[in-house]
Amino acid sequence: GENVEQHPSTLSVQEGDSAVIKCTYSDSASNYFPWYKQELGKGPQLIIDIRSNVGEKKDQRIAVTLNKTAKHFSLHITETQPEDSAVYFCAAPNNAGNMLTFGGGTRLMVKP
Amino acid sequence: DAGITQSPRYKITETGRQVTLMCHQTWSHSYMFWYRQDLGHGLRLIYYSAAADITDKGEVPDGYVVSRSKTENFPLTLESATRSQTSVYFCASSIGGADIQYFGAGTRLSVL
Repeated sequence: GENVEQHPSTLSVQEGDSAVIKCTYSDSASNYFPWYKQELGKGPQLIIDIRSNVGEKKDQRIAVTLNKTAKHFSLHITETQPEDSAVYFCAAPNNAGNMLTFGGGTRLMVKP
Repeated sequence: DAGITQSPRYKITETGRQVTLMCHQTWSHSYMFWYRQDLGHGLRLIYYSAAADITDKGEVPDGYVVSRSKTENFPLTLESATRSQTSVYFCASSIGGADIQYFGAGTRLSVL
């Protein structure tokens, strides 16, 4: 099945700096790559996703890049703010296309 | 628009007892999922369902039972709770299996 690895597991940045979280996946047929943000005491919520027909997608301060050849994708957060502090998960579909496999999560801490 | 709701939010039980966690969604999504979240393990899939009366095992199904007699409900039962099942449980739903998943707020279960 699909194997998704996420790095780093924790990330601490100063407010205003950029943060980058990286994921690798194993199934070359995967074509959908979402990112979720989980705030304390809440369920994960989709913040951005990308499909395999594009290499980059942006939404205000967040962007996702995809390298299908290397089988990795990354989340980029610019001008970080304290409210960006949360746990972030990447995910990729299995080869049957009936479930998502999640990475292990990254705890992002933005210091004011 | 209620979305996806889980109940109870918190539950304390004793080893050997049966406990059922409820999940209800109002979107008529075909797919529903149960995950457990433990420190160091991210989100692990317990069971999922592609439609009413269709369920399948995920990564960690042992000790759990699910049913889906109606599209909107997907209860998770621990037939004989063990301490290792102490965790936070999340339910999610989606239109397709490998599609945007919408998560509930979670149930924090403690087995004493």
